Amino acid sequence: ETGVTQSPTHLIKTRGQQVTLRCSSQSGHNTVSWYQQALGQGPQFIFQYYREEENGRGNFPPRFSGLQFPNYSSELNVNALELDDSALYLCASSLVPGNQPQHFGDGTRLSIL
Amino acid sequence: GESVGLHLPTLSVQEGDNSIINCAYSNSASDYFIWYKQESGKGPQFIIDIRSNMDKRQGQRVTVLLNKTVKHLSLQIAATQPGDSAVYFCAEKPLRGGGADGLTFGKGTHLIIQP
Repeated sequence: ETGVTQSPTHLIKTRGQQVTLRCSSQSGHNTVSWYQQALGQGPQFIFQYYREEENGRGNFPPRFSGLQFPNYSSELNVNALELDDSALYLCASSLVPGNQPQHFGDGTRLSIL
Repeated sequence: GESVGLHLPTLSVQEGDNSIINCAYSNSASDYFIWYKQESGKGPQFIIDIRSNMDKRQGQRVTVLLNKTVKHLSLQIAATQPGDSAVYFCAEKPLRGGGADGLTFGKGTHLIIQP
């Protein structure tokens, strides 16, 4: 069974740029959620995708957007990058939405200069 | 907004002893709780979950207790091993219908195993 994989593992960008992060869900999982984890903090929910549509969203501005593809993989896009966007971005997949364990990848470390 | 918190930022225990990590939550609408373990440089790893219609659940060397009266969650790790050193997060999810289906995490407890 293949777990959640994310790419790239590290990325450096400058303010104002745009970034795309990618996630492949665990095999058999059709739901993908994205989280932002600042250093020393717990992950914060960005949004969730199910059946290629956004299924729920946390308190993040519209410049954070996403996609889900027919094979259940997903992308997180962030426009107009700000210094505070520096964080570990985590993707998690689950069998279905709702009260199911979410299984995480090892994240993409994004640094904004 | 409501959030999940943890009582202690760091917990140090002797190898072989039992560890108890506590978590207080404030959202009475939460109906699903999860414990995760996060090692340095890795993503959170699922340990065990519990639904609000239960007060105890056991896994391999771990037990989760849920006290809804005082909104308290705990993770017990039996016979702690060096490999248990990590940051432990509790997370909760409110009843579906409120919109977001995401987990709300606390800040974490760093478990340190002393030889």
